[in-house]
Amino acid sequence: EAGVVQSPRYKIIEKKQPVAFWCNPISGHNTLYWYRQNLGQGPELLIRYENEEAVDDSQLPKDRFSAERLKGVDSTLKIQPAELGDSAVYLCASSLGSIYNEQFFGPGTRLTVL
Amino acid sequence: GQQVMQIPQYQHVQEGEDFTTYCNSSTTLSNIQWYKQRPGGHPVFLIQLVKSGEVKKQKRLTFQFGEAKKNSSLHITATQTTDVGTYFCAANTGTASKLTFGTGTRLQVTL
Repeated sequence: EAGVVQSPRYKIIEKKQPVAFWCNPISGHNTLYWYRQNLGQGPELLIRYENEEAVDDSQLPKDRFSAERLKGVDSTLKIQPAELGDSAVYLCASSLGSIYNEQFFGPGTRLTVL
Repeated sequence: GQQVMQIPQYQHVQEGEDFTTYCNSSTTLSNIQWYKQRPGGHPVFLIQLVKSGEVKKQKRLTFQFGEAKKNSSLHITATQTTDVGTYFCAANTGTASKLTFGTGTRLQVTL
């Protein structure tokens, strides 16, 4: 069974440029998460989807970050414009059902903003 | 917001020594999960604890949930070089309906 797929794996951009990350969760997993992980820290939740509905986006900086999960499967996370402080690893995870279930993480996208 | 503290931040042991990491919260937790992240890798689920005082074992790993459901621990017996990585707890208060990851404990094992 294929795991969570993310692309790209690495991205280097100049500040003020836009960037987008893509995630394909494990087939059948209705819950999808986007996390940001800074070096030496734990993952921080940005947004959680139940199917196509964003049920928790309280930590998403909405002035520059946006996300969508059309048709309740794949998801895209966008930053526009990027700032230096956005440099981090962006992790996508999926789970079957609620937050009480095991989360499966993708390999992440390492973003460097210059 | 909910904070989950882990100690120690880093531990370096010789192969064969034991290792323990602790996860603490100021609020009562409905459940706690543990994840391991190898260097350069992504978090991988290890276990979930739900009941007060629960103890679960996976080979050399022992996980405990405190009686008051405010803390948890992960103990590794006789560490091996394959245990190297960062161990995160992830806790949910129930009211927040959100899994908050701890700060992590980085384990280094040398021969």
